[in-house]
Amino acid sequence: QSALTQPASVSGSPGQSITISCTGSDDDIGEYNLVSWYQQHPGKIPKLIIFEATKRPSAVSDRFSGSKSGNTASLTISGLHPDDEASYYCCSYAGRRLVIFGGGTHVTVL
Amino acid sequence: QVQLQQWGAGLLKPSETLSLTCEVNVGTSGGFYWSWIRQAPGKGLEWIGEINHSGTTNYNPSLESRVTTSIDTSTSQVSLRLKSVTAADTAVYYCARARRPKYYFDSWGPGTLVTVSS
Repeated sequence: QSALTQPASVSGSPGQSITISCTGSDDDIGEYNLVSWYQQHPGKIPKLIIFEATKRPSAVSDRFSGSKSGNTASLTISGLHPDDEASYYCCSYAGRRLVIFGGGTHVTVL
Repeated sequence: QVQLQQWGAGLLKPSETLSLTCEVNVGTSGGFYWSWIRQAPGKGLEWIGEINHSGTTNYNPSLESRVTTSIDTSTSQVSLRLKSVTAADTAVYYCARARRPKYYFDSWGPGTLVTVSS
């Protein structure tokens, strides 16, 4: 299984919205609605922010939202905060009880 | 609240076997899988494999020939062994609780840096 494809970096100004894409294939994102997203600040552990493509844990800000269309999942961060500067990883079930991650996207708040 | 503690050797020589243990404060029974995920320095996340309370395992095909996971529900500990390590196995290794059948990771251990160097 190949890793999911994410842009290496995305940037935005405070208050703006940004979207991170995560492209897979018919065998993973296209087949299953089992995409999750993780936020990781430098030196910290990953934190779950989206699961099942669009659902958000109760403790996660509603500025984070997820969507999926075809073989591509997306994470949108609205009202960008300086604290949103971090790396973001998508993850998908790939069938046969396998899991794959994207390469990660570093978000810079200008 | 779920808390995962990890420990294991942090420095290995090539060809040695990596061995890590993860202890879960709320026990390892129930409808969860316990996964191992690694992150090479400056790189992304890579799923290694997982085990549930019954001992059912699933592994990343790229590592399957070298990986073994085990579970001791009496001590709430999950273990990872990766044999014949090389420098390419240098990474932070995380244990994480995996929700099934929804396939996401909702609790993570603090990570253990394992360096492979001669």
